[in-house]
Amino acid sequence: SAVISQKPSRDICQRGTSLTIQCQVDSQVTMMFWYRQQPGQSLTLIATANQGSEATYESGFVIDKFPISRPNLTFSTLTVSNMSPEDSSIYLCSVTGLGTEAFFGQGTRLTVV
Amino acid sequence: SQQGEEDPQALSIQEGENATMNCSYKTSINNLQWYRQNSGRGLVHLILIRSNEREKHSGRLRVTLDTSKKSSSLLITASRAADTASYFCATETGGSYIPTFGRGTSLIVHP
Repeated sequence: SAVISQKPSRDICQRGTSLTIQCQVDSQVTMMFWYRQQPGQSLTLIATANQGSEATYESGFVIDKFPISRPNLTFSTLTVSNMSPEDSSIYLCSVTGLGTEAFFGQGTRLTVV
Repeated sequence: SQQGEEDPQALSIQEGENATMNCSYKTSINNLQWYRQNSGRGLVHLILIRSNEREKHSGRLRVTLDTSKKSSSLLITASRAADTASYFCATETGGSYIPTFGRGTSLIVHP
């Protein structure tokens, strides 16, 4: 199992600003992911955070908008840049073993005003 | 696009009743997982069932998998108000170890 500490848990931000979300895992993990969950919706994968190389983004998500860092096997950050009200969502980091269950942080509830 | 689609989207029951949620998917899977989410917080893993398994139990939870129908069900027996949450199925396919989530079922258990 893995315990994930994600922060901040929530924030209210002005449009045009950026927010960086941090995710700390209590053990070294190979695969770390960032998801977005829009209000009342399911989880959409933003990107896979790769240690030592650029993140792998899913269709519809770009590095300029969602830059990701993964400096080591226990830590990652996601930045939501130049925010607009449409970015209001819950952002979740997750880790998974190979073919086993995924573990999630508690999520960051972002409101852009 | 979502691989799994849960049904119903919302379910409202009384405490003590059983709750059944279904998940249908489109392509062959390696495994299927069920997760619970309380009030928009992080997801908690409930059960993982592999493609060669048909049924698994964990406490009051029972999951079935029918690969011929590409469907799974989650049964919560003797529900409690604390079971109120959203429940998601997620599938892993092919060589990917990244789960793809369905839209979820919102369960409300009235005390």
